[in-house]
Amino acid sequence: DAKTTQPPSMDCAEGRAANLPCNHSTISGNEYVYWYRQIHSQGPQYIIHGLKNNETNEMASLIITEDRKSSTLILPHATLRDTAVYYCIVRVGAVRGSQGNLIFGKGTKLSVKP
Amino acid sequence: DTGVSQNPRHKITKRGQNVTFRCDPISEHNRLYWYRQTLGQGPEFLTYFQNEAQLEKSRLLSDRFSAERPKGSFSTLEIQRTEQGDSAMYLCASSPDRAIGNTIYFGEGSWLTVV
Repeated sequence: DAKTTQPPSMDCAEGRAANLPCNHSTISGNEYVYWYRQIHSQGPQYIIHGLKNNETNEMASLIITEDRKSSTLILPHATLRDTAVYYCIVRVGAVRGSQGNLIFGKGTKLSVKP
Repeated sequence: DTGVSQNPRHKITKRGQNVTFRCDPISEHNRLYWYRQTLGQGPEFLTYFQNEAQLEKSRLLSDRFSAERPKGSFSTLEIQRTEQGDSAMYLCASSPDRAIGNTIYFGEGSWLTVV
């Protein structure tokens, strides 16, 4: 089962920041938080990941709370093309055997509206 | 583009027929994964390879399913005697085999419709 909890859906106005929350209260010390998104009928697209520090790349920012029990993915200026299902996943970092697999939940369906 | 490549992208088959999907991972990625996704659900893990060795299979992978990665490069997923319940998108993904920088990247998926 997925180890994360996300709201099933969210709306965001175009041009505004989209803040997608994720709870992972049982995360272990060696588990990273990964975010993927899936635009309709396409394969999941990697966005960003982090362990305990906040991370930023060209797509998004990831804010992880100090206790690591929750995180927020931030899309700073959402566009209509950001409409997708966003998945928050915890994954063991030191990959051995099958521990590197991704266990997906149902994600958050983000709708960006004009 | 050097991403994960899957083909065919779409396949319609009659119940009882066999189908095969091919996946070409990102070059030099030792690990290769297969997932299945049905409508409204997140992807579900099926199996994974470390080079040519198949190291784990999900219980979702019935005996009608077989996956191979003969030379540790491309992989095939075959479904024998297809059933309507096999209709889904089959996703392939790959990653490097290292402790850091082992992000998994997905292909665009292969849609299967069994009629």
